[in-house]
Amino acid sequence: QVHLVESGGGVVQPGRPLRLSCEAAGFTFSDYGMHWVRQAPGKALEWVALIWYDGSNIYYSDSVKGRFTVSRDNSKDTLYLQMNSLRAEDTGVYYCVKETGTYSKFDSWGQGTLVTVSS
Amino acid sequence: SYALTQPPSVSVAPGQTATITCGGNNIGSQTVHWYQQKPGQAPVVVVYDDSDRPPGIPERFSGSNSGNTATLTISRVEAGDEADYYCQVWDSSSDLWVFGGGTKLTVL
Repeated sequence: QVHLVESGGGVVQPGRPLRLSCEAAGFTFSDYGMHWVRQAPGKALEWVALIWYDGSNIYYSDSVKGRFTVSRDNSKDTLYLQMNSLRAEDTGVYYCVKETGTYSKFDSWGQGTLVTVSS
Repeated sequence: SYALTQPPSVSVAPGQTATITCGGNNIGSQTVHWYQQKPGQAPVVVVYDDSDRPPGIPERFSGSNSGNTATLTISRVEAGDEADYYCQVWDSSSDLWVFGGGTKLTVL
């Protein structure tokens, strides 16, 4: 059974950095692309970033490009999101998501970790 | 960038059929996935690749996609179906993954 556990969330001041981690279990992590998806309080889901199974290709939403960096360590079955220059609008729950299929179905989600950007 | 439009809310009585739409420019040429999110929980895929159901999802959930509208249909609605529903596509032309704004399904 797929298990994704995010960590690293918390309260951070605007402009400061924060790194999220996602530990994966129950599947061959190195075979799958992984995404970060976030959700501001009371708002819709928003896709943040994708990293291919081998890290060879990475994509970002326009709202985080240049500030966030996604990476993975397949030897540790762990996904990361380095968030720099944080803004109030980055506040929300961040989900680690496994994709599968030809059309990138998001088939497994973590429980999420809350990031609050506030002074 | 590609945009998906959903009605903010849909209400239906138990036992009736709920229809949730997802509008997008020529969305019929895209492949649509649908997610259910209950309060305080992570989303769960209920329909993928326009009309397929993952194991464990009741047959009451079905999807279709044509022209400028994709549709999630929930037949014989139950109280437990009350949740937010999101459509999602992968816009391969821009390598962006897009969600609709979500629809809150209320079971009267």
